[in-house]
Amino acid sequence: DGGITQSPKYLFRKEGQNVTLSCEQNLNHDAMYWYRQDPGQGLRLIYYSQIVNDFQKGDIAEGYSVSREKKESFPLTVTSAQKNPTAFYLCASSIEGAGGIDNEQFFGPGTRLTVL
Amino acid sequence: SQQGEEDPQALSIQEGENATMNCSYKTSINNLQWYRQNSGRGLVHLILIRSNEREKHSGRLRVTLDTSKKSSSLLITASRAADTASYFCATIIQGAQKLVFGQGTRLTINP
Repeated sequence: DGGITQSPKYLFRKEGQNVTLSCEQNLNHDAMYWYRQDPGQGLRLIYYSQIVNDFQKGDIAEGYSVSREKKESFPLTVTSAQKNPTAFYLCASSIEGAGGIDNEQFFGPGTRLTVL
Repeated sequence: SQQGEEDPQALSIQEGENATMNCSYKTSINNLQWYRQNSGRGLVHLILIRSNEREKHSGRLRVTLDTSKKSSSLLITASRAADTASYFCATIIQGAQKLVFGQGTRLTINP
């Protein structure tokens, strides 16, 4: 059963703690993305990776970090430097990078992070 | 500022009616995509229309693209309760490597 999985579904964090959100895909996609969604809003790009061992900052990268050591995995760390981390986080992947001509993105189910 | 902006922000119709949502964007694009999001879930890709296409159909969905007006519309015909969701347009700006999403239209289908 191919797709993208994210874990955990719900995550609670105390202020000052770093937390890591997991994203795994078995679609053999080259590109992976992390988005943040606030209530009633669209998606904002945090980081993206077009190939293993390479990633670029998106529009709101401050306070976040990522790694892409394996093609299947693109974990996101929300650091204590992120001042307002409570949000819904979505991971996505596509066959090729977003600049490709036919590049639909496949999304995971999301992780809802709440800072206590 | 948002590259894509949907209109209306919210739409409520009766089951069986048609629903039309619009998306406007600011800069030249490679393609425009529509996604659906059920409450608290991930997004699901609905349809992609390339910049050199004017209309595309998929089942009960019809998408149009007018590059001269920098706008697109999504029509859902014969709506069903299961169509209740938020709908987002997303664009790839020419020369960019990222998909930019609008803020979405929240569609409610009343039984």
